Amino acid sequence: SDELTQPPSVSVSPGQTARITCSGDPLAKQYAYWYQQKPGRAPVVVMYKDSERPSGIPDRFSGSSSGTTVTLTISGVQAEDEADYYCQSGDITTNYWVFGGGTKLTVL
Amino acid sequence: EVQLVQSGAEVKKPGESLKISCQGSGYSFTSYWIGWVRQMPGKGLEWMGIIYPSDSDTRYSPSFQGQVTISADKSISTAYLQWSSLKASDTAMYYCARLGSSVNWFDHWGQGTLVTVSS
Repeated sequence: SDELTQPPSVSVSPGQTARITCSGDPLAKQYAYWYQQKPGRAPVVVMYKDSERPSGIPDRFSGSSSGTTVTLTISGVQAEDEADYYCQSGDITTNYWVFGGGTKLTVL
Repeated sequence: EVQLVQSGAEVKKPGESLKISCQGSGYSFTSYWIGWVRQMPGKGLEWMGIIYPSDSDTRYSPSFQGQVTISADKSISTAYLQWSSLKASDTAMYYCARLGSSVNWFDHWGQGTLVTVSS
């Protein structure tokens, strides 16, 4: 399957660690990218090439990969991290870009 | 600073045509692919297609092939997404986004254009 699967929701208390997974066959060959989307706003990249953090993204965000599963980890979650998170993979050689279904992170 | 500025919200009737735009600035517009992404109300992100403004090479998602047309005018650093006959199911937020140098991800996004199709 070419799909990417994410849990619909993850809930954590402030200061705890949130882990959001993304699974799918494309991840065996291609990098994953993570986007954060807050209500009414455009998505923003928070992780690229599985574990690279763009400038301006807090270091509490980290990424990892194992086989066909990638994980976005947010350590010491803050209220401002509450958002929808989407994983994405893509390959220009096969004209293929796909997003996961999204995970709603709730900070309790 | 890379910026993608999209045209404003639209309200249309079923069957009408529409063309929305995305103007890039702060980088070489002809050196990067631009993509369009749909987000239906309360739903996730869907890749629609991409275009390389330098030569207008265009690739469509199978889900959107034949449903929309993507084009670009490099002289004014602007990409377009158009419909010839809108349906109510086209109601959504549409984002343009620049693809990163590896062309596998979307590194900068426009603010979105809300399209509402209703009789």
